[in-house]
Amino acid sequence: EAGVTQFPSHSVIEKGQTVTLRCDPISGHDNLYWYRRVMGKEIKFLLHFVKESKQDESGMPNNRFLAERTGGTYSTLKVQPAELEDSGVYFCASSQLGLPTGTDTQYFGPGTRLTVL
Amino acid sequence: GEDVEQSLFLSVREGDSSVINCTYTDSSSTYLYWYKQEPGAGLQLLTYIFSNMDMKQDQRLTVLLNKKDKHLSLRIADTQTGDSAIYFCAVPGNNFNKFYFGSGTKLNVKP
Repeated sequence: EAGVTQFPSHSVIEKGQTVTLRCDPISGHDNLYWYRRVMGKEIKFLLHFVKESKQDESGMPNNRFLAERTGGTYSTLKVQPAELEDSGVYFCASSQLGLPTGTDTQYFGPGTRLTVL
Repeated sequence: GEDVEQSLFLSVREGDSSVINCTYTDSSSTYLYWYKQEPGAGLQLLTYIFSNMDMKQDQRLTVLLNKKDKHLSLRIADTQTGDSAIYFCAVPGNNFNKFYFGSGTKLNVKP
């Protein structure tokens, strides 16, 4: 079974440009999460989709970040316009719907390393 | 939200045991998790423990949970150079809608 995949693996852009990150969750996983790790600090939650609906977007830093999950399959995270402080590693994770038997375990993708110059 | 603390670095010699510690604040989580990130790779689920357990053993890995003190630890027996990685403690929030992570402990295993 394929794991969570993310594209691109690396992205280097200039301040003010736009970048779109993509995440493909494990097939059949209704929960999809975005996280970010900045400058070697803790991994922080950004938002959570259940199917195509945003369940919790309390971690989104500001309105320069837009996440979508049309059709409830893959998700995109767009940063527009990018700022220097947006640099970091963006992780996507997915899990099955179903509590509390452990099927909520989140499986992570390899991450996208974003560098804003 | 949850506050999760880990020490940043741990250095051990090959063959020794490694103990990575994690403390958290306010959680009624059913499960607590350890993830491993090898250089250049993503987060790999290493193990987890059910909150009504004190200990879970899985081959070279032992997870200890002190729920009263909100303290979680990961012990790696006979540490190998391949164990060099960053280890993250993860604590689910209420309703499992998000995980709270520590900063990660970078384990360096010297030959």
